[in-house]
Order: sequence, then C-alpha cells, then structure tokens
Amino acid sequence: AQTIHQWPVAEIKAVGSPLSLGCTIKGKSSPNLYWYWQATGGTLQQLFYSITVGQVESVVQLNLSASRPKDDQFILSTEKLLLSHSGFYLCAWSLAGDNQAPLFGEGTRLSVL
Amino acid sequence: AQKVTQTQTSISVVEKTTVTMDCVYETRDSSYFLFWYKQTASGEIVFLIRQDSYKKENATVGHYSLNFQKPKSSIGLIITATQIEDSAVYFCAMREGNTNTGKLTFGDGTVLTVKP
Repeated sequence: AQTIHQWPVAEIKAVGSPLSLGCTIKGKSSPNLYWYWQATGGTLQQLFYSITVGQVESVVQLNLSASRPKDDQFILSTEKLLLSHSGFYLCAWSLAGDNQAPLFGEGTRLSVL
Repeated sequence: AQKVTQTQTSISVVEKTTVTMDCVYETRDSSYFLFWYKQTASGEIVFLIRQDSYKKENATVGHYSLNFQKPKSSIGLIITATQIEDSAVYFCAMREGNTNTGKLTFGDGTVLTVKP
C-alpha cells in the first residue's frame, strides 16, 4: 500500500532564516505530487505540482520554491522566511493521468517568529 | 477562473441525525470533478467522496452521499446517522478537466460539530 510521509512534523523558525520541508511517497511509481498551504483557520491553497522528476510547476507565488529530486520525493524550500509563511504545509499525491482525488500527508506546521 | 463557495461557516447537530452541507461552484469547463474532504482536529485531511460532472447518479460512500444539482452548480454533502467523530471541518473542492496540473480549488470549509 502507498504511504506518504512528511517531515518535519513541526518547525519554529526565525524570519529571514531558510526552510526545507520534505515529502516522500512509497508504494507508487511516478505519482503526481502537490504542495498545499493552509493559513490557520483558512482554506487550502495549491502552491506547486509535479508530474515527473525534475519538473515542477508553480501555481501560486509565495516566495517559495519546490523541487523533485527523486521520483518519490518532493521538497519545499525558501532561503528567507517571511512572517506570512506561517501555516500548515501539506503534500499530496495522485495517480498520473488520472482524476483520482489527491491524497494528503500528515502535514508540517510552521511558525515563523 | 474556477471558484468554490461554502456558505455555511458552521453547523451543529445532535448525533444520529442527518446533516447536509452546501457547496456551489463556478467553472467554464464542461468536464470537472468535485470532491469532499474532511479535516480532523489533528489537521489530517481525509478524502471522503467524489462526483464526476458527466455522471448523473449521485455518489454514495458509506454514510456519505452527494446531492449533485448540475444546473445549479451545486454539490451538497449529506451525512446520515452522524457520529461524534464526524465532528471536523469539511471542505468542498473542484478540479477542472485539465488533469496535468491536478489543481484543486477548495472552498472555505464548514465546521461540523456533532453533539451527544
């Protein structure tokens, strides 16, 4: 069975510091991968998607970047955090070429102080 | 651009009753896909049920069912025999026909509280 794992579970970071969040999918080859962001009490907003290794498309610009270095790995990062980056970051996956509902990881809670 | 609207901010019901949550959407695509998710208190987001725009029959999964009214661009979620553990935030989401982006547009969510 496929599993999706995000790390870390939570982070407290200073404004201006770098950030790297990770997501790993096991049990599925060549999935579509997505990053979502949720402000506290807010809705989910898609940030990036990737359909293959090395290819990432931005959906919303939030001074963040994403990379897919391996088929099963998706990384979200920034060199300088802003207060507005605080929130809940969720990785999701779906089967390539299908309209399956994206399935979400456990998320990472980020507090920028 | 696609848009999803959930007008009910919160709903409170007594357990074992039926609840309906509303969702309306806007899209120019003739083909689209509608989903409902729930977010638990821990933050976990769980996929519940989907409706494909070309299907006339309302989807049903367990004690979740949908009321799809295509002319009204409406996709309501019905939960029958509610349980305390159904308390969560429920999100409606839509994906337009382009599958490559996988872009889901979410509504603002409805907080459901199920009381004993």
